[in-house]
Amino acid sequence: KNQVEQSPQSLIILEGKNCTLQCNYTVSPFSNLRWYKQDTGRGPVSLTIMTFSENTKSNGRYTATLDADTKQSSLHITASQLSDSASYICVVSSQYGQNFVFGPGTRLSVLP
Amino acid sequence: ETGVTQSPTHLIKTRGQQVTLRCSSQSGHNTVSWYQQALGQGPQFIFQYYREEENGRGNFPPRFSGLQFPNYSSELNVNALELDDSALYLCASSGSGRALANEQFFGPGTRLTVL
Repeated sequence: KNQVEQSPQSLIILEGKNCTLQCNYTVSPFSNLRWYKQDTGRGPVSLTIMTFSENTKSNGRYTATLDADTKQSSLHITASQLSDSASYICVVSSQYGQNFVFGPGTRLSVLP
Repeated sequence: ETGVTQSPTHLIKTRGQQVTLRCSSQSGHNTVSWYQQALGQGPQFIFQYYREEENGRGNFPPRFSGLQFPNYSSELNVNALELDDSALYLCASSGSGRALANEQFFGPGTRLTVL
């Protein structure tokens, strides 16, 4: 069964600190992996997208890594800001069909 | 802003009623996907439309149906509403039926509450 798991479920950090969110997946065959940021009650906004051959990709203070062998990805946030408070969702696409498998998300709260 | 719009923003219905949600895709995009997101969970894929035809479907019953119009806007229809249908409904547009390779841009969602 195609699944995406994320950890931790929620995380609280202080402004200015770094943090790392984890994503494990069993989707096969793999096409690509995306990280989205979703503010409460809003639609997700793309942060990064990585294909099989990419190990790391950065978008400002966000850096995503991918290990296709272990089927793991991480999203590292550097020098967190209050506006980083949101849910971060990992999404994996299978090579077949039009299905995107979403993880449950990690709820990040950045406190002053 | 992604250029994807959804209406209405919020909606309250009672069990057994029918509802229609609308989505306008980003200019130049011909593919629209619909998702259901229950509170505290990740979005679940409902179906996708490419050039006015259904192009993939998730694990949702037939009372969830959709349409795509020649201008690539789309509707999601849900019949015989159940309490568990209460959720945020997200629409995402992309530039090709092969959306696996293309970026998806999400709208702000419609919050549906079924009483």
